[in-house]
Amino acid sequence: EAGVAQSPRYKIIEKRQSVAFWCNPISGHATLYWYQQILGQGPKLLIQFQNNGVVDDSQLPKDRFSAERLKGVDSTLKIQPAKLEDSAVYLCASSRRTNTGELFFGEGSRLTVL
Amino acid sequence: GEDVEQSLFLSVREGDSSVINCTYTDSSSTYLYWYKQEPGAGLQLLTYIFSNMDMKQDQRLTVLLNKKDKHLSLRIADTQTGDSAIYFCAEPSNDYKLSFGAGTTVTVRA
Repeated sequence: EAGVAQSPRYKIIEKRQSVAFWCNPISGHATLYWYQQILGQGPKLLIQFQNNGVVDDSQLPKDRFSAERLKGVDSTLKIQPAKLEDSAVYLCASSRRTNTGELFFGEGSRLTVL
Repeated sequence: GEDVEQSLFLSVREGDSSVINCTYTDSSSTYLYWYKQEPGAGLQLLTYIFSNMDMKQDQRLTVLLNKKDKHLSLRIADTQTGDSAIYFCAEPSNDYKLSFGAGTTVTVRA
């Protein structure tokens, strides 16, 4: 089966600009996650969707980050305006169901904010 | 990831065994997980252990769980160059949100 697809792989922007990342999960996976992985750290959950509904967005900086999964399939994560500390790899993952630790990750989108 | 702690680096000679250690905080975790991240790639589930087990073996991988000390370890037998990667320990919260450690970078030298 095809894996989790993410784009773009790399993005360089200046602070205060905006950026959007796209994710297409594994077919049939109801749960979709966005993680932020800062260099040298483990991934940190930003938001979790179950189909097109938000399960958990408690760690999402809502003043600048937004995410949607309108049709319950692919998802977009947006940052506006970006700050220097947003430089990180943004990982999308999916799973068959919500209460599982078996996540399938995409290759990630590396963001550099100058 | 602040609740899951791992040593940051491990260097091992090819053919030797690698042991990666992790401590966690939530004693109610039902499963504990090990993920592997190769350079430029996303994380991949390597193995997991159910909390009522002390040990799980899967080919070259052995997971040991000490619930009393909240200590988890991953042993890789006959370490190969393809095992060079970052290894993450992860524990779920009550509502199954995974918390990852900072990762242990394993470097295999010839």
